[in-house]
Amino acid sequence: GQSLEQPSEVTAVEGAIVQINCTYQTSGFYGLSWYQQHDGGAPTFLSYNALDGLEETGRFSSFLSRSDSYGYLLLQELQMKDSASYFCAVAGGDNYQLIWGAGTKLIIKP
Amino acid sequence: EPEVTQTPSHQVTQMGQEVILRCVPISNHLYFYWYRQILGQKVEFLVSFYNNEISEKSEIFDDQFSVERPDGSNFTLKIRSTKLEDSAMYFCASSGPGRKNEQFFGPGTRLTVL
Repeated sequence: GQSLEQPSEVTAVEGAIVQINCTYQTSGFYGLSWYQQHDGGAPTFLSYNALDGLEETGRFSSFLSRSDSYGYLLLQELQMKDSASYFCAVAGGDNYQLIWGAGTKLIIKP
Repeated sequence: EPEVTQTPSHQVTQMGQEVILRCVPISNHLYFYWYRQILGQKVEFLVSFYNNEISEKSEIFDDQFSVERPDGSNFTLKIRSTKLEDSAMYFCASSGPGRKNEQFFGPGTRLTVL
């Protein structure tokens, strides 16, 4: 079967750095995406890694190791508005349909 | 900034009825998707659509479901004979040429089946 594993909840302090890990096992793999979803909102694209290594976009970075079937999202200088659920998702085929993890709820404390 | 829109925002229907959920993808996008999210659970892929035909569908997307692009702007999901377990948030997404990996999501339609 296909599965993505990520922690259900992570707590951090405002201004800190947090890393959300994701391991995956899928029949196809084109890349690993990360999406942010606030309560009641739609998922919003954050990043995509097709190749091994680190991609940086402002305060957010994403890493991929294809050999380890592992990736992570790194959030720096945490702000209260970063409180949300973060989903890793694998683009599993050439139509880039996304297979999703269960999401990590990020709780930020002042 | 262009965005994906969906109507209605909330649809309540009786079990066994048919519903049509509507989406207007971003105008120059070529790839369209429907996903659903049962409350408190993960997002699940339903179907992808490209070049006026289904390109991929999941096990969830059985004969109860169908999609259509009736004109140059709308993209619809029809659910026939709705069941209680169809209650979920349904998201439409689209992606542009050369950037299939970046999908833009609409605000969703919350479907409640009674």
